[in-house]
Amino acid sequence: GAGVSQSPRYKVAKRGQDVALRCDPISGHVSLFWYQQALGQGPEFLTYFQNEAQLDKSGLPSDRFFAERPEGSVSTLKIQRTQQEDSAVYLCASSLEYSHTDTQYFGPGTRLTVL
Amino acid sequence: QQQVKQSPQSLIVQKGGISIINCAYENTAFDYFPWYQQFPGKGPALLIAIRPDVSEKKEGRFTISFNKSAKQFSLHIMDSQPGDSATYFCAATYTGGFKTIFGAGTRLFVKA
Repeated sequence: GAGVSQSPRYKVAKRGQDVALRCDPISGHVSLFWYQQALGQGPEFLTYFQNEAQLDKSGLPSDRFFAERPEGSVSTLKIQRTQQEDSAVYLCASSLEYSHTDTQYFGPGTRLTVL
Repeated sequence: QQQVKQSPQSLIVQKGGISIINCAYENTAFDYFPWYQQFPGKGPALLIAIRPDVSEKKEGRFTISFNKSAKQFSLHIMDSQPGDSATYFCAATYTGGFKTIFGAGTRLFVKA
């Protein structure tokens, strides 16, 4: 079956531009996570959705970062006024239910480069 | 704040050898410890996971050893193969929480 998909796979932005990254989770999955992975590092949690509700956004690094999942399926991570330190791979993951032991299925990520 | 410390940063093992990756945690609220495997250009994929009430879990060539009192756990890859060459992450989560805290990763290279 189809896994988690993300688009675009690569994004180059000039500093100061706004970007929007899309995540299509596995159909029927309740939980959706966003992570930021810097080069050579482990993923760092950004935010968590349970259906359309954003229950944890404690990992968002600044108010320039905004995420939404309005209908409880597709999610968008938006970064306003991009900075060079925003350059990273942004990973999306989904899981079937909402237990912390549910398997998270990751997408391939969007590599964002801010020039 | 780094809550899960992983070592080594990189590891080279001969084909057929044992690969060992170690992790330590601080937060005693953690109660679930998954390991992920990541290939270049791909997202992480769950490999194996353990709860702290179990000292060891084995799935095929992969074994997790868990020492609750020391707050340490490790991944052993037996009979390592070139196809195991990837980056491995330990991680931790806790009941009622939504975050998964990842270690910094270990880049494994298995020489043929």
